[in-house]
Amino acid sequence: GAGVSQSPSNKVTEKGKDVELRCDPISGHTALYWYRQSLGQGLEFLIYFQGNSAPDKSGLPSDRFSAERTGGSVSTLTIQRTQQEDSAVYLCASSFQGASYGYTFGSGTRLTVV
Amino acid sequence: AQSVAQPEDQVNVAEGNPLTVKCTYSVSGNPYLFWYVQYPNRGLQFLLKYITGDNLVKGSYGFEAEFNKSQTSFHLKKPSALVSDSALYFCAVSNTGGFKTIFGAGTRLFVKA
Repeated sequence: GAGVSQSPSNKVTEKGKDVELRCDPISGHTALYWYRQSLGQGLEFLIYFQGNSAPDKSGLPSDRFSAERTGGSVSTLTIQRTQQEDSAVYLCASSFQGASYGYTFGSGTRLTVV
Repeated sequence: AQSVAQPEDQVNVAEGNPLTVKCTYSVSGNPYLFWYVQYPNRGLQFLLKYITGDNLVKGSYGFEAEFNKSQTSFHLKKPSALVSDSALYFCAVSNTGGFKTIFGAGTRLFVKA
């Protein structure tokens, strides 16, 4: 596609429920990244995928968070047993091979845990 | 480990005046440095980058940034601010050959007419 697509754009969930956030990167971009932006805060790195290499999961805040990337394209970020502090905008970005090419960001998924 | 500091939460400038948004970084090896901008109700957009070469890099919308290795800084500048420049600006750094990019906390720029 022309840009990075994220779905849903908004998600309201009850505390304790699981949620899945989807990211469809730009075709041909081998690197995919997930970041979290809390209200009034900067971007918190969560995870990145590069080609067939093992993902860098060093930013995932707890074992309730996981992500996968299937077929080197679409990625899903899963949050289990959601907590109110998980409320944030989750941003996905992709790039051609790596950071030096700059990132193209999606519009994000705004997650609200009530 | 990489880190980025944006010491100012907010910068206020009058339209037509020059603006500077500050950024300092810490990274092992040679850094890749970036500026991104987030306009209200819009996604993050790439503004400019420094990889190697000339220390002064030019980007979109008349912005430029100067890489200063000795001061480990990468300040964003524009000679004449516009009201439409009002937005949230993020500085970011990744290490050479790395894929992990760390973003600063952001600086909100207000340009007053």
